[in-house]
Amino acid sequence: DTGVSQNPRHKITKRGQNVTFRCDPISEHNRLYWYRQTLGQGPEFLTYFQNEAQLEKSRLLSDRFSAERPKGSFSTLEIQRTEQGDSAMYLCASSRTEAFFGQGTRLTVV
Amino acid sequence: AQTVTQSQPEMSVQEAETVTLSCTYDTSENNYYLFWYKQPPSRQMILVIRQEAYKQQNATENRFSVNFQKAAKSFSLKISDSQLGDTAMYFCAFMKQGVNDMRFGAGTRLTVKP
Repeated sequence: DTGVSQNPRHKITKRGQNVTFRCDPISEHNRLYWYRQTLGQGPEFLTYFQNEAQLEKSRLLSDRFSAERPKGSFSTLEIQRTEQGDSAMYLCASSRTEAFFGQGTRLTVV
Repeated sequence: AQTVTQSQPEMSVQEAETVTLSCTYDTSENNYYLFWYKQPPSRQMILVIRQEAYKQQNATENRFSVNFQKAAKSFSLKISDSQLGDTAMYFCAFMKQGVNDMRFGAGTRLTVKP
């Protein structure tokens, strides 16, 4: 499979717990993006990496959110002390020119 | 700030007919990119078509074409000979050149009816 892979596909967690999502981009893509999508809305930009450097972060990315891309390969998005408002689909995309999206991780905070 | 507006939350079309999805955007930039993405139910986003703002010629990809009106800041998607597999959410997106923050509209849910 040469597409963007995200794990897990679904995550249910209790409020206050920490969660971590993983994204494996297309191997030759040096750019990686995280987006959040809530029901009935388009994706909202969270953060962008070029190789291992996190170059842009949205104001949506509060202090409870952290993203990493060690060695410029896979990326992780961690949410600490989850809140019900964090419930959403978290999308990862990678690109050289055009962005290719993964299937997303659906987070439900109960 | 750039905003993208899709004024049609839902649309439907008969199989084999043509449908046009609307998108307008607001920017003061001159160099940027516009995209249409398709998101089938429970499946991942797929790029349908892309347009560079400096190109006057409208992009086409098989049954998909755009009507890019730069002065009017309009970027509509035309789907010809609609197929059942075209049923999906369609998102219009804007990205300023040199910036990696792609802004999406709220989407249009298209249903192709047999």
